[in-house]
Amino acid sequence: AQSVTQPDIHITVSEGASLELRCNYSYGATPYLFWYVQSPGQGLQLLLKYFSGDTLVQGIKGFEAEFKRSQSSFNLRKPSVHWSDAAEYFCAVGAGGSYIPTFGRGTSLIVHP
Amino acid sequence: KAGVTQTPRYLIKTRGQQVTLSCSPISGHRSVSWYQQTPGQGLQFLFEYFSETQRNKGNFPGRFSGRQFSNSRSEMNVSTLELGDSALYLCASSLGAGVGNEQFFGPGTRLTVL
Repeated sequence: AQSVTQPDIHITVSEGASLELRCNYSYGATPYLFWYVQSPGQGLQLLLKYFSGDTLVQGIKGFEAEFKRSQSSFNLRKPSVHWSDAAEYFCAVGAGGSYIPTFGRGTSLIVHP
Repeated sequence: KAGVTQTPRYLIKTRGQQVTLSCSPISGHRSVSWYQQTPGQGLQFLFEYFSETQRNKGNFPGRFSGRQFSNSRSEMNVSTLELGDSALYLCASSLGAGVGNEQFFGPGTRLTVL
C-alpha cells in the first residue's frame, strides 16, 4: 500500500528566507506525486504535480519540487518566502489508473516578518 | 468560471442523526471526489464519482454513502452520526476521472456532531 510521510509538523521561517518542505513516499512503482496548499478556512489548491519526465517540477506561486527516486522523496522548495505563504502544505501520492490518493499529515508553515 | 461550491458551509448535528452534504462542481467537470479531514486522521479519501457511477471508495463504513446526479452535482450522506464524524468534508471536481486530472477543491463543509 502507498504511504506518505511529512516529517515536519511545523516549520518556521523568516520572510525572504528559503524554504524546503520534506516529503517521503512509499510505493512500489513510479508514483504520481502532488503538493497542495491549504489556507485557513479554505479547500486545497494544487501547487504542482509529478507524473513522469523531468524530475524538477515547477509550480504556481514560485514553488518547485524535485522527485528523487533513490531517496523516495519529493521535497517542495521556494527560494524566498512571502508572508502570504503561511498555510498548511500537503504532499500526496496517487497510483496509476484508479485514483485513490494518500495524503501526508501536512506541514504547517509559519512565516515571521 | 465559478469554483466548486459546497453547501452548507457549517452544520451541527447530534449523535444518531443523519446528514446530507452537497457539492456543485465546476461547470463541465464530470468527476467529483469527497474527502474527510480531521486533526487526528488527516485527509482521507471517501469516494469518487464519474458520470453518476462510483469509481472508487475509501476505507469508510457503510454509513457513508454518496451519489452523483446527471448534472454532475454530488451529495454525500452520513447516517447514524457518531462523535468521530466531526470533520471538514471536502469536495473536489475534475474534468475527467483518474489521477491524471487536476482536482479543484471546494471550501468544505464543517460538520460538528454533539
